[in-house]
Amino acid sequence: AQRVTQPEKLLSVFKGAPVELKCNYSYSGSPELFWYVQYSRQRLQLLLRHISRESIKGFTADLNKGETSFHLKKPFAQEEDSAMYYCALRARNFNKFYFGSGTKLNVKP
Amino acid sequence: KAGVTQTPRYLIKTRGQQVTLSCSPISGHRSVSWYQQTPGQGLQFLFEYFSETQRNKGNFPGRFSGRQFSNSRSEMNVSTLELGDSALYLCASSSVLGASTDTQYFGPGTRLTVL
Repeated sequence: AQRVTQPEKLLSVFKGAPVELKCNYSYSGSPELFWYVQYSRQRLQLLLRHISRESIKGFTADLNKGETSFHLKKPFAQEEDSAMYYCALRARNFNKFYFGSGTKLNVKP
Repeated sequence: KAGVTQTPRYLIKTRGQQVTLSCSPISGHRSVSWYQQTPGQGLQFLFEYFSETQRNKGNFPGRFSGRQFSNSRSEMNVSTLELGDSALYLCASSSVLGASTDTQYFGPGTRLTVL
C-alpha cells in the first residue's frame, strides 16, 4: 500500500541553522515525489518535485530509492521558512496524491 | 490568472443533512481533485475528475460523491453527514492528467462543521 511518513510533527531551529525535514515512502511502483508548503493563512502550494531536480528558495530534496526517502534540506534556515511542509507521492500517470501528515517548521530568530 | 476558488468558505450542518461544495478551477485546467483535511488523518485524496469523468478515487464511503461540468467546474456532495465529516475540504486543479511536469494548484478550502 502507498504510504508517506513524516516522522516529525514539529521541527524548531534557529535562523541560520541547517534544516532537514524527513520523508519516507512506501510504494510498489515508480513514484513521483513532491514537497508542498503552506505558509500561515495561505494556500497549499508546490515547493518542489523530485523530477525537476531544482532548488527552490534554497531548498533541495533528493529521491533515494534505496532508502525510499525524499528528505527536504536547506543549509541555512530563514524566519520566512516557517510553515507547514507536506511530502506527497503520486503514482506515475495518475493524478492521485498521497500526502504525509506534515511537519511544522518553526525558525526562531 | 485567477486562482482556484471554492464556495462556500464556511459551512455548518447537522448530522444527517447533506451538503454540496463547489470548486472552480483555474481557467484552462481540466483536472480537478478533491481532498479532505483533518487533524487526525491529514490530507486524504477523495477523487479526481477530468473532462467530466471520474478518473481516480480514494477510499471514502459512497456518501461522498462528485461531478464535473463541461466548463470544468466541479462539485462534491456528502450525504447523511456524520460528525466525523467535519473537515477542511480542498480542491486542486491542474491542466493535464498526471503529467510529470504538471502542477496542482490548491484552493483555499471549504471548512465544514457538522454538529
